[in-house]
Amino acid sequence: QVQLQESGPGLVKPSETLSLTCKVSGGFIGSFYWNWIRQSPGKGLEWIGYIFSPGTTKYNPSLESRVTLSVDTSKNQFSLNVKSATAADTAMYWCARGNVVTGLDYWGQGALVTVSS
Amino acid sequence: DIQMTQSPSTLSASVGDRVTITCRASQSVSTWLAWYQHKPGEAPKILMHKASSLESGVSARFSGRGSETEFTLTINSLRPDDFATYYCQQYKTVPWTFGQGTKVEV
Repeated sequence: QVQLQESGPGLVKPSETLSLTCKVSGGFIGSFYWNWIRQSPGKGLEWIGYIFSPGTTKYNPSLESRVTLSVDTSKNQFSLNVKSATAADTAMYWCARGNVVTGLDYWGQGALVTVSS
Repeated sequence: DIQMTQSPSTLSASVGDRVTITCRASQSVSTWLAWYQHKPGEAPKILMHKASSLESGVSARFSGRGSETEFTLTINSLRPDDFATYYCQQYKTVPWTFGQGTKVEV
């Protein structure tokens, strides 16, 4: 059974970089599209982007200038960096496995990140 | 970006009801559409992919239909565990986009 687990700081200061990691177990990260999705308080789901190993990435244009995704196949994990964080980046962040046939089929439990001084 | 619009935003229903949620895309997504169920404090759960393909382990009370720009998710014989927010999502074109959600409440 594939499992994903997000980790990272729950509090980030404005203007700093928001960083999260997603550890994948029960499956090799070398296939599929590895995604990040977020939900700001009171809002719907927003797709941030995906990385397809070894390094193909696609980003939401609304965030593309500030977002970087990377993958570490040796650790079977992938990461999200959002630079110059603001209060608008305060959200629940999920990592999820996806593919172009089935959508987002496995999700992590989520990580709440607050951007505040 | 392809805009996904769900209706209604909120749906009041009772246990045993049959409910239908509509999702419209601003341009054709063929059948590259998924439905998710989301409960507070939990990760979203995929119910359906390719518009009408039920995920393994998901109750057959859930069914999906549609193609191109109009899609529906129907829940037959609503159970207490079904009260949640439901999202559609297109994955035909990047950026993948979600509908704004439909909250099914008592």
